[in-house]
Amino acid sequence: AQTVTQSQPEMSVQEAETVTLSCTYDTSENNYYLFWYKQPPSRQMILVIRQEAYKQQNATENRFSVNFQKAAKSFSLKISDSQLGDTAMYFCAFMKRTSNTGKLIFGQGTTLQVKP
Amino acid sequence: DVKVTQSSRYLVKRTGEKVFLECVQDMDHENMFWYRQDPGLGLRLIYFSYDVKMKEKGDIPEGYSVSREKKERFSLILESASTNQTSMYLCASTGTGKNIQYFGAGTRLSVL
Repeated sequence: AQTVTQSQPEMSVQEAETVTLSCTYDTSENNYYLFWYKQPPSRQMILVIRQEAYKQQNATENRFSVNFQKAAKSFSLKISDSQLGDTAMYFCAFMKRTSNTGKLIFGQGTTLQVKP
Repeated sequence: DVKVTQSSRYLVKRTGEKVFLECVQDMDHENMFWYRQDPGLGLRLIYFSYDVKMKEKGDIPEGYSVSREKKERFSLILESASTNQTSMYLCASTGTGKNIQYFGAGTRLSVL
């Protein structure tokens, strides 16, 4: 069975600073996807960034980037130039590449507060 | 844009009531999911459906059932609501072979 662990329940960062959210996972699979989802207060959860395990290059989406360490089973999210709109709960998630149903396994979530 | 709509944002029910949570998606997705979100526990999968009338149990199906009579609609049913089912419920959908789930806004259910 796969598990996803986010060990930081809450974090805060000053506006314009950089923050890194941690995620570790456990799996015996070799091919899989990893995701970071963002849930703003009282709003819908949306995808932030996606990493394919067979790709060595770390994914980047504008101010969001990941540090994917496959051997260590670590998948951290770096937010650069933090903005007030980045305040949200962030979830790390895992999906087997062979999954036809798109079934996700989520971590516990990290609440990020961006302070002005 | 994909739209996943949950019928209620907030719901208050009494212990023992039968509760229906409805979810509709407009992207012809085959797969739909119901999650429960609790502080410190993240999202836990209750049930999912990969086709009309097809369903599979997730990690915490006890006390819940589901119905998928039409492709676009996936209902979560609490046969006899209990206080420990007070939670946020999220619906999501995705296409077969696709790897991005699209979420509804959530229903915050309080069982008194």
